[in-house]
Amino acid sequence: DTAVSQTPKYLVTQMGNDKSIKCEQNLGHDTMYWYKQDSKKFLKIMFSYNNKELIINETVPNRFSPKSPDKAHLNLHINSLELGDSAVYFCASSQMDSLNSPLHFGNGTRLTVT
Amino acid sequence: SQKIEQNSEALNIQEGKTATLTCNYTNYSPAYLQWYRQDPGRGPVFLLLIRENEKEKRKERLKVTFDTTLKQSLFHITASQPADSATYLCALTGYGQNFVFGPGTRLSVLP
Repeated sequence: DTAVSQTPKYLVTQMGNDKSIKCEQNLGHDTMYWYKQDSKKFLKIMFSYNNKELIINETVPNRFSPKSPDKAHLNLHINSLELGDSAVYFCASSQMDSLNSPLHFGNGTRLTVT
Repeated sequence: SQKIEQNSEALNIQEGKTATLTCNYTNYSPAYLQWYRQDPGRGPVFLLLIRENEKEKRKERLKVTFDTTLKQSLFHITASQPADSATYLCALTGYGQNFVFGPGTRLSVLP
């Protein structure tokens, strides 16, 4: 009965590869997000997405692309992986794209690029 | 640029004492401030939300204050327990502004 689940939990890959991380939420939320947590533990938003609008953090390289097959899923695809992409990636969802809606996070995917 | 600071990277306190964590911000006009708890290897978990026009919010042993003049929030855990040991993150949301997280404070409650 996990609310926000993402797979895989760990991902080790080589530079230049393409990989995807999957995320699903069963909370019926309208908005989903991808966050990156670096080695210094800063959580930074990468994307927010609802059925109508994709908002991209302008600092995110275009090698990263979110894909949403339906409202309950928001996958993250990464092309041409680089060493600096190593981090923990968190998927999250909220009831609405509303300022007072708390975020519900998955348990993260630790990506290691070698 | 927007900046959020949390008083210290790590805080150690004795069991039973009150833990006080600080969140300061600059170049931001938040409408809401939220506190989250993050355990190792897990995602952050929402604890409390306080609005810009609220001074204080309580939930069980937790208390949050919000002073928009000082641009500061204080997060208190009373009668702290070893199980309260975790990293605590503050997060700001505002009209037309991105959701921004602080760097977190790692709290250790010593038995």
